[in-house]
Amino acid sequence: AQSVTQPDIHITVSEGASLELRCNYSYGATPYLFWYVQSPGQGLQLLLKYFSGDTLVQGIKGFEAEFKRSQSSFNLRKPSVHWSDAAEYFCAVWAPRTYKYIFGTGTRLKVLA
Amino acid sequence: DAGVIQSPRHEVTEMGQEVTLRCKPISGHDYLFWYRQTMMRGLELLIYFNNNVPIDDSGMPEDRFSAKMPNASFSTLKIQPSEPRDSAVYFCASSLANAAYEQYFGPGTRLTVT
Repeated sequence: AQSVTQPDIHITVSEGASLELRCNYSYGATPYLFWYVQSPGQGLQLLLKYFSGDTLVQGIKGFEAEFKRSQSSFNLRKPSVHWSDAAEYFCAVWAPRTYKYIFGTGTRLKVLA
Repeated sequence: DAGVIQSPRHEVTEMGQEVTLRCKPISGHDYLFWYRQTMMRGLELLIYFNNNVPIDDSGMPEDRFSAKMPNASFSTLKIQPSEPRDSAVYFCASSLANAAYEQYFGPGTRLTVT
């Protein structure tokens, strides 16, 4: 079955600390992987995407993610978190045959001053 | 560009009433998607359109839900009659044909049915 798992529902980090949000997927073919961010009261915004090639991809707002096929993972990282990064983060797989996303359940990030 | 526009931002209605949610996609975009977000079920795709034509409505919960896209710049999602379990945030998103996966989301409509 196709699925995306985000094992951490909530994560709290201090401002300036590094961040890693976990994402594991189950998908039969080569996955198209995405990270979206949802700020309070807002829609989702695309942070970054991976289709092929270099397994470390850079996104907006200083985020990066690494695709590890052997671990079926696509973890999101940021070296130094800012208070404005507090939001909910969604990992997703794009299913090109059906034109649908399979979204994870999201990880809510809290940033301490 | 103003981005995807949704109205209203908040809607409170009583059970049994008709509710209409509106969406204006980004100009030039070919795809329009309607999603529903709840705590219990997360983000669910309800329906999507390509060039104003509904392509997949398998996510529409039941016959009480209907969606239309009369032209390239406007879409509606209607619930009639509404029920308390329809309370959720409804998002509209649009994208280009050659990058349907790169979706631009509107701010959402928070619907509360009492």
